[in-house]
Amino acid sequence: EAGVAQSPRYKIIEKRQSVAFWCNPISGHATLYWYQQILGQGPKLLIQFQNNGVVDDSQLPKDRFSAERLKGVDSTLKIQPAKLEDSAVYLCASSRLAGVQYFGPGTRLTVT
Amino acid sequence: GESVGLHLPTLSVQEGDNSIINCAYSNSASDYFIWYKQESGKGPQFIIDIRSNMDKRQGQRVTVLLNKTVKHLSLQIAATQPGDSAVYFCAETGTGSARQLTFGSGTQLTVLP
Repeated sequence: EAGVAQSPRYKIIEKRQSVAFWCNPISGHATLYWYQQILGQGPKLLIQFQNNGVVDDSQLPKDRFSAERLKGVDSTLKIQPAKLEDSAVYLCASSRLAGVQYFGPGTRLTVT
Repeated sequence: GESVGLHLPTLSVQEGDNSIINCAYSNSASDYFIWYKQESGKGPQFIIDIRSNMDKRQGQRVTVLLNKTVKHLSLQIAATQPGDSAVYFCAETGTGSARQLTFGSGTQLTVLP
């Protein structure tokens, strides 16, 4: 079974620029999550989708972050404009309903 | 808010010895706990989970113990190998339909030759 796919793996941008990350979950997984992991810390949930609906986006900085999962499969996370403090690894995870979350390799974002 | 924390940020063990990684949680309503392993440059990898109606669960070379009285869980790794070197996170899920995970800050396990 293929795992969670993410791209790009690395991205370097200047502050105030925009960036987008892509995630393809494990086939059949209805629930998709985006996490932010700052160096030395555990992942922090940004947004949770179930199929193409948002379950929870209470931790998403909506003034600059947006995410969508239009067809209930792939998802994109966008940051516009980026700030220095957005430098982190952005992890995507997926699960069956209420099941174990499986993570992708992450995208390491550096904002300069 | 509720938090999940780890007692030690780093742990070094000799190859072949057993490792014990501890985790304290503060949400008494948590009913599901997971241990993840994260190697450098990779996403967290599921190791083992346990529900609150259990106090012990065993996997291949790993055992998770849950003590609900003191809100503590531990991950035991038998015969630690160099490939076990990684950061280990415990995570908990509270009640509620969303079943979201709250992660601790992690313990860096280093296996010495």
